Amino acid sequence: GAVVSQHPSWVICKSGTSVKIECRSLDFQATTMFWYRQFPKQSLMLMATSNEGSKATYEQGVEKDKFLINHASLTLSTLTVTSAHPEDSSFYICSADSADEQFFGPGTRLTVL
Amino acid sequence: GENVEQHPSTLSVQEGDSAVIKCTYSDSASNYFPWYKQELGKRPQLIIDIRSNVGEKKDQRIAVTLNKTAKHFSLHITETQPEDSAVYFCAASQGNTPLVFGKGTRLSVIA
Repeated sequence: GAVVSQHPSWVICKSGTSVKIECRSLDFQATTMFWYRQFPKQSLMLMATSNEGSKATYEQGVEKDKFLINHASLTLSTLTVTSAHPEDSSFYICSADSADEQFFGPGTRLTVL
Repeated sequence: GENVEQHPSTLSVQEGDSAVIKCTYSDSASNYFPWYKQELGKRPQLIIDIRSNVGEKKDQRIAVTLNKTAKHFSLHITETQPEDSAVYFCAASQGNTPLVFGKGTRLSVIA
């Protein structure tokens, strides 16, 4: 199956700083990537749909100015959490679509102190 | 938009018994229904999926059934083993649209 990587796998940062998470499709091109957030013991909630070469589509309640998404190439999408706060601490997972199946990255655990 | 309900939220079974998890969805346009297994701190892993042109699909101990009329689909795990213990999520989409996940079922297989 297709492989999706994410970097970093975990990050700890101070409140008020920004954190960038990368999502790469390693062996296929993905015009569409999805960003999910998962709080402890909860389900995956879609944050936004990242489209190569165009603006991301954000789900209701997700602040586009706080969660910046850039999908500059067919293999890379980045999510930047700006001015992170403790309530942003979560597990962030990306996925990429290939042949109508979604392949997930390994996730990034963000802890904001 | 799509809404997926999943039941039960927790399930405990004896090793060797069967486990059944059920999901319902709201959008009749959905045509892709995957099931994921997620272990603590790891990414969801696709274990089986079904598309709307099929009513049942089986892969060894795992099977999924789909009733499009009633808009529900179920995961069946037979001869459960301790390593089946994990959180299972159902999801629905129209194929190339974002997945909408159920809230998950924590399965515990007791040896």
